[in-house]
Amino acid sequence: QVQLKESGPVLVQASETLSLTCTVSGFSLTNYGVIWVRQPPGKGLEWMGIIWRNGNTDYNSALKSRLSINRDTSKSQVFLKMNSLQTDDTAIYYCTRHTLDAWGQGASVTVSS
Amino acid sequence: DVVMTQTPPSLSVAIGQSVSISCKSSQSLVASDKNTYLNWLLQSPGRSPKRLIYQVSKLDSGVPDRFSGSGSEKDFTLKISRVEAEDLGVYYCLQGTHLPLTFGSGTKLEIK
Repeated sequence: QVQLKESGPVLVQASETLSLTCTVSGFSLTNYGVIWVRQPPGKGLEWMGIIWRNGNTDYNSALKSRLSINRDTSKSQVFLKMNSLQTDDTAIYYCTRHTLDAWGQGASVTVSS
Repeated sequence: DVVMTQTPPSLSVAIGQSVSISCKSSQSLVASDKNTYLNWLLQSPGRSPKRLIYQVSKLDSGVPDRFSGSGSEKDFTLKISRVEAEDLGVYYCLQGTHLPLTFGSGTKLEIK
């Protein structure tokens, strides 16, 4: 069945870089894009960016200068990197198939000052 | 960016009652392929979001037919008939027509 799973550090220091991995199964990254969404504690959902099935990317303009999304199709993995972290980047980070019909469990990330 | 205005922010409803949630977009959500990419998601407490409805009115597999979506262009509604306890959580609309994808602010459904 289709599954996505986020992994990465739970705690990151301010000004450092966040690196998260989304490992997918049950589908190919050459057939589906993957979206990253985040949710600060007690708040709503924010679309961060997408890597399309052809490998092209689009980013939320508010994050574009700090964010990059890449992938390794042979490992069925999508990578998120975001630099210059601040405390308001504390959130649960989700990856989802671009069709939005399958979501990961989320990775909780706390940015410490 | 397309702004999704979702109302009400919260609802408290008794089991068996019906509720409606509104979502209005700042631009038409009709895409160049003539489809309208308006989704409804439910985030149950402590869980990841789950898509319930896509393209305005199409129910995802396993979603009870108590849920229905309607609307067009810029004005959309999610209706839940005969609310059950398992329906509690936060409902979000999400437009997928324009980049960046944008979410409504959410409607928290509580059971009386």
